[in-house]
Amino acid sequence: QSLLTQPPSVSGAPGQRVTISCAGSSSNIGAGYDVHWYQQLPGTAPKLLIYADNNRPSGVPARFSASKSGTSASLAITGLQAEDEADYYCQSYDTSLSGQRVFGGGTKLTVL
Amino acid sequence: EVQLVQSGAEVKKPGESLQISCKGYGYNFATYWIGWVRQMPGEGLEWMSLIYPGDSDTRYSPSFEGQVTMSVDKSITTAYLQWSSLKTSDTAIYFCARSGGNPRGGAFDVWGQGTMVTVSS
Repeated sequence: QSLLTQPPSVSGAPGQRVTISCAGSSSNIGAGYDVHWYQQLPGTAPKLLIYADNNRPSGVPARFSASKSGTSASLAITGLQAEDEADYYCQSYDTSLSGQRVFGGGTKLTVL
Repeated sequence: EVQLVQSGAEVKKPGESLQISCKGYGYNFATYWIGWVRQMPGEGLEWMSLIYPGDSDTRYSPSFEGQVTMSVDKSITTAYLQWSSLKTSDTAIYFCARSGGNPRGGAFDVWGQGTMVTVSS
């Protein structure tokens, strides 16, 4: 069971807006640690989508945005496109045990 | 171009040893953490370990401590992940990834292409 909880799946039609949640706790997101988001297209390596809560690396479209509040974070995708169909993962740091980086369980986005 | 290039797919038997590699190109290898991430078939990403090539400072996930060994040779800009005795449950894709900042906060901004490890009798 991951320390960061994501919904297993979300879906939306082309052009719509979808959000993916990432629920944590006081030992990770709630402790103020940065949240990062990754996109993994089928059969490929993950790609950094958002870093440090709400920053987009160069080349990532502005359709992708993220936010953080309290012990949770969320990724929003507007103007959904077919090529956005992928798995999305949140990642942060957790102070439990000896401290560790942690990934959420991942969310499969289906574009209808 | 900044990139991480991993060694090729491996097929091993239970109990065998294995070392896979991750070579960095196009950046100051010594000043970024390198992490390893496991993805079992059909499953999500799991962080395994981090190493700082500059001083070989190494951190392990509690889930993987004692199960694998991470090392680095900064003279050839290469990080390694090693098993002394493989299990069938080690079958997975293993990704290396670069991380800036401190061991707690940095994002993985550059990823290797992944190394598929299959352990089967």
